[in-house]
Amino acid sequence: EELLVESGGGSVQPGGSLRLSCAASGFHLGDNYIYWVRQAPGKGLECIGRSRNKLYGYATDYAASVKGRFTISRDDSKNSVSLQMNRLKTADTAVYYCASLTTVTGAFDIWGQGTKVTVSS
Amino acid sequence: SYVVTQPPSVSVAPGKTARITCGGSDIGDYSVRWYQQKPGQVPVLVIYFDSVRPSGIPERFSGSNSGNTATLTISGVEAGDEADYYCQMWESTTDHVVFGGGTRLTVL
Repeated sequence: EELLVESGGGSVQPGGSLRLSCAASGFHLGDNYIYWVRQAPGKGLECIGRSRNKLYGYATDYAASVKGRFTISRDDSKNSVSLQMNRLKTADTAVYYCASLTTVTGAFDIWGQGTKVTVSS
Repeated sequence: SYVVTQPPSVSVAPGKTARITCGGSDIGDYSVRWYQQKPGQVPVLVIYFDSVRPSGIPERFSGSNSGNTATLTISGVEAGDEADYYCQMWESTTDHVVFGGGTRLTVL
């Protein structure tokens, strides 16, 4: 079974940092486009960043709301992807999902279970 | 960036047909995906390529896309279909993903 398992969420004060991890099992993560999608309390889904697959050099891109503060990186040895979040704001409070997008369909077919991030003083 | 619009809520009686729309400029020229998200759960893909159901999704779920509106149709609605539904676009040249704001389906 193909799974994504997330870790690293928690509570932090404004201006602080957190690192989320997303580990894959049952498939090679390097073959896939990985996106980070977040959902603020009571709100909809927001795509905040993506990492292309190994063929495209794991190229990254970010939403304007997090550009310059968030960084996506890969670790092939751990079959994982991480989201480093710096200078966190209260508006970053959300459940964060990593999700694998299949480029053939343009759809997210595998989602992590989600990890909650709370930014509060 | 492309913008897609969904109604905040749709209500339907059990056994009836629910139609959830996703509006966007010439959206019929693009491919639309739909996700179901129940409270506290992870989104689940229910439709891709406008109208294709992934394995395991009931035939009651169908999709269409033409002009400026894509539609998710749920026939014979059941209480278990109560959820938030999101449409999603993917721009293959930029890899940008856009989600609609979501529609809360209430089964009366």
